[in-house]
Amino acid sequence: GENVEQHPSTLSVQEGDSAVIKCTYSDSASNYFPWYKQELGKGPQLIIDIRSNVGEKKDQRIAVTLNKTAKHFSLHITETQPEDSAVYFCAAMKDTGNQFYFGTGTSLTVIP
Amino acid sequence: KAGVTQTPRYLIKTRGQQVTLSCSPISGHRSVSWYQQTPGQGLQFLFEYFSETQRNKGNFPGRFSGRQFSNSRSEMNVSTLELGDSALYLCASSLAWQGRGYTFGSGTRLTVV
Repeated sequence: GENVEQHPSTLSVQEGDSAVIKCTYSDSASNYFPWYKQELGKGPQLIIDIRSNVGEKKDQRIAVTLNKTAKHFSLHITETQPEDSAVYFCAAMKDTGNQFYFGTGTSLTVIP
Repeated sequence: KAGVTQTPRYLIKTRGQQVTLSCSPISGHRSVSWYQQTPGQGLQFLFEYFSETQRNKGNFPGRFSGRQFSNSRSEMNVSTLELGDSALYLCASSLAWQGRGYTFGSGTRLTVV
């Protein structure tokens, strides 16, 4: 099956700095890669996603890049704010599948 | 538009008991998936239902089961509870079978004592 690895497990940045979280996947058939943000006491919330036919996608301060050859994708958050503090999960899914394989999560702390 | 509703939010059970968790998907969503979240194992897929049929099942013992009703509401059941079943159980719904645009509920926190 698919194996998704995520790094780092914890990340602290100063407010206004950028944060980068990286994930690798093992199954070259995976072609959909969402990123979820989970705040304390809540379920994961989709913040951005990318499909394998696209190399980069941006939504305001958040961007995701995908390198299919290397089988890795990254989340970039610019101009971080304290409300960005949360746990972030990457995931991978195949077109023929109907389950997500999640990374182990990154706890992001933005220091005011 | 109401989100995914999971009930109850918190539950404490004793080893050996059984438990039923409920999930009401977003109106119009026909696919419902269940995940177990623990600090050690992260988010792990339990099963997915679409139009009352289980389409896929994760690698969990038979003590974990589920079903989906004609109104798309879903329940999952865990029998003969073990301490290791303590976790946050998350339900997600989506329009399409293949899970695009998953929306998660806030989960049910199950504690087994």
